[in-house]
Amino acid sequence: NAGVTQTPKFRVLKTGQSMTLLCAQDMNHEYMYWYRQDPGMGLRLIHYSVGEGTTAKGEVPDGYNVSRLKKQNFLLGLESAAPSQTSVYFCASSPGGGQPQHFGDGTRLSIL
Amino acid sequence: AQSVTQLGSHVSVSEGALVLLRCNYSSSVPPYLFWYVQYPNQGLQLLLKYTTGATLVKGINGFEAEFKKSETSFHLTKPSAHMSDAAEYFCAAGNTGGFKTIFGAGTRLFVKA
Repeated sequence: NAGVTQTPKFRVLKTGQSMTLLCAQDMNHEYMYWYRQDPGMGLRLIHYSVGEGTTAKGEVPDGYNVSRLKKQNFLLGLESAAPSQTSVYFCASSPGGGQPQHFGDGTRLSIL
Repeated sequence: AQSVTQLGSHVSVSEGALVLLRCNYSSSVPPYLFWYVQYPNQGLQLLLKYTTGATLVKGINGFEAEFKKSETSFHLTKPSAHMSDAAEYFCAAGNTGGFKTIFGAGTRLFVKA
């Protein structure tokens, strides 16, 4: 019963490097989300998807790109990492409705 | 613009005491309201949600919350705290058909033995 799985769990990058965070869900959910969590700020929506092949911008999309080529996977890319992107990133899914229900355990990303 | 305010970044209670975590939202239209719990090094888990209907909502682990439109509040309560309740709690608000669920800054609950 995996639910939402995020890889990697930890990563340290240098400024300017690129990387991709992977999110996989096994619940056949249509909706998937990427959030970032920063101290004292709650969660902020980066991008979301309402189904395979669709993506849309959230509250803080700048510096990130996403893809949803398969229904079960939602990828978050950082093309040129910046220290301001140091954060904990959470992927979430829901069967519908626009509100996240199931979260992964997070990816802790540090940009030096 | 919609916002969610959680009063108190830290709350400390004794084991067996009442837990009260406060949440206020600002919106001209009653939103959907949620409480999530986050244990260390884990993602958020949905505790309970209010959409329409009964204003007292019961969730998992003995928690409940009451939607009060006149006070724009959605406070989370539990009659008797347990050590396992120690975690961070997030209140969130969303609108019908929307994707902009707004999260509060979180309240960390400490439970003393």
